[in-house]
Amino acid sequence: EDQVTQSPEALRLQEGESSSLNCSYTVSGLRGLFWYRQDPGKGPEFLFTLYSAGEEKEKERLKATLTKKESFLHITAPKPEDSATYLCADPSHGGSQGNLIFGKGTKLSVKP
Amino acid sequence: EAQVTQNPRYLITVTGKKLTVTCSQNMNHEYMSWYRQDPGLGLRQIYYSMNVEVTDKGDVPEGYKVSRKEKRNFPLILESPSPNQTSLYFCASSLRDRGADTQYFGPGTRLTVL
Repeated sequence: EDQVTQSPEALRLQEGESSSLNCSYTVSGLRGLFWYRQDPGKGPEFLFTLYSAGEEKEKERLKATLTKKESFLHITAPKPEDSATYLCADPSHGGSQGNLIFGKGTKLSVKP
Repeated sequence: EAQVTQNPRYLITVTGKKLTVTCSQNMNHEYMSWYRQDPGLGLRQIYYSMNVEVTDKGDVPEGYKVSRKEKRNFPLILESPSPNQTSLYFCASSLRDRGADTQYFGPGTRLTVL
């Protein structure tokens, strides 16, 4: 079954300690991959869309990269305000246009 | 301000009592979608709509109905709610096909069915 898997489920970092989150997918014919940030009790907030292997996008301390099998969200020198759940999503599931599949997310905690 | 709004934000109801959660966007978006979010299961798509009068099932459509009579509105209807529909619901919209455009999410509706 097509799916999107994120790891780790939770990640605790000290402020300034860089790390990476992983999103792997099993769907063939990837038509882009999304990254979102979600704060507790709020709706997901769009971060990036990546369309092709080798593509990279950056926003402040975040950089997203894409290969043929997975995507990484790199966090450089994180701050406590980066604490949130990070979600990736694949729009290619089942070949059905409009059907978006989310991973279960990585909950990031950054301690001062 | 460009936004997706949902009402109500919180709702406690009883089994079998029909309810509607409204969703409205002011960005003239063609694509709209409903999700539910549950601990350990993540965000799952319920229904989506590519345009007015065009709707399709997502991954968990059972027990839900939707309609898209106007471009800006996409209500979610629970004809006979059951406790397993207790969840956090999000509406989202994007300009066109979600594969090409950013999806904007509403603030969420927390539903409890007793």
